[in-house]
Amino acid sequence: GNSVTQMEGPVTLSEEAFLTINCTYTATGYPSLFWYVQYPGEGLQLLLKATKADDKGSNKGFEATYRKETTSFHLEKGSVQVSDSAVYFCALRSWDDMRFGAGTRLTVKP
Amino acid sequence: DTGVSQDPRHKITKRGQNVTFRCDPISEHNRLYWYRQTLGQGPEFLTYFQNEAQLEKSRLLSDRFSAERPKGSFSTLEIQRTEQGDSAMYLCASSLEQALEIEAFFGQGTRLTVV
Repeated sequence: GNSVTQMEGPVTLSEEAFLTINCTYTATGYPSLFWYVQYPGEGLQLLLKATKADDKGSNKGFEATYRKETTSFHLEKGSVQVSDSAVYFCALRSWDDMRFGAGTRLTVKP
Repeated sequence: DTGVSQDPRHKITKRGQNVTFRCDPISEHNRLYWYRQTLGQGPEFLTYFQNEAQLEKSRLLSDRFSAERPKGSFSTLEIQRTEQGDSAMYLCASSLEQALEIEAFFGQGTRLTVV
C-alpha cells in the first residue's frame, strides 16, 4: 500500500536558520505530493503541492521538489521565522486514497 | 461556501456510550475522507467515500465504527460502545475525485474524549 515517511521531530531552530524536513514515499502509479501545515489550535491547511516528477511546489518561502528517482519530497526554507512554528505533514494522493506522514513539529526561537 | 465543517467541535462521553459526528464537505466535492489523529501523530486514514459509495475502509476501522454518506453530501461517523482508546481528533476532508492535483480540504475536526 501507499505510505509516507517523514523526518521525526521535534526540530528547533533559531530565526533565520535554514530548514529541511525530509519526506519519502512509497506508492504505485504517479501520486500527487503535498505538504500541509497545522498551526497551534488550527486545522490542517495546504502549504504547497507538486503533481508530477521534477515539479517544484512553493509558498511562503517554502519549497519542495518532487523527486521520482529518490521517491522524495523534502521541504526546505532558506530563512525561518518564529511564525513558521507549527507541525508539518507530508502527504501523497493517489486514485485510491490520501496518506499522511506522522508530522514534524518545528519550533523557531527568536 | 465556507469550506468543510464538522460538528460538534468537542465531545466528551462516558465509556460505553455511542457517539456520532457529522461532516459537511465543500458542496461540489464528490470525495470525502475520514481520518483519526492522536497527539503527536499524523492523520490516520479511516475510510473514504466517492459520492455515496464507501470505497475503502482501513483495518483501523473496527466493527464499532460505521460511516455513511447517504445522499453523497454530508457524512456521519458513528462509534458504538466507545472505549478510552477512541479518544482522538476525528478529521474530515473533501476533494474532487477527477483530479489528483486537487488537494483535500480539511475541517477543524471533532475532538473526542472518552472518560
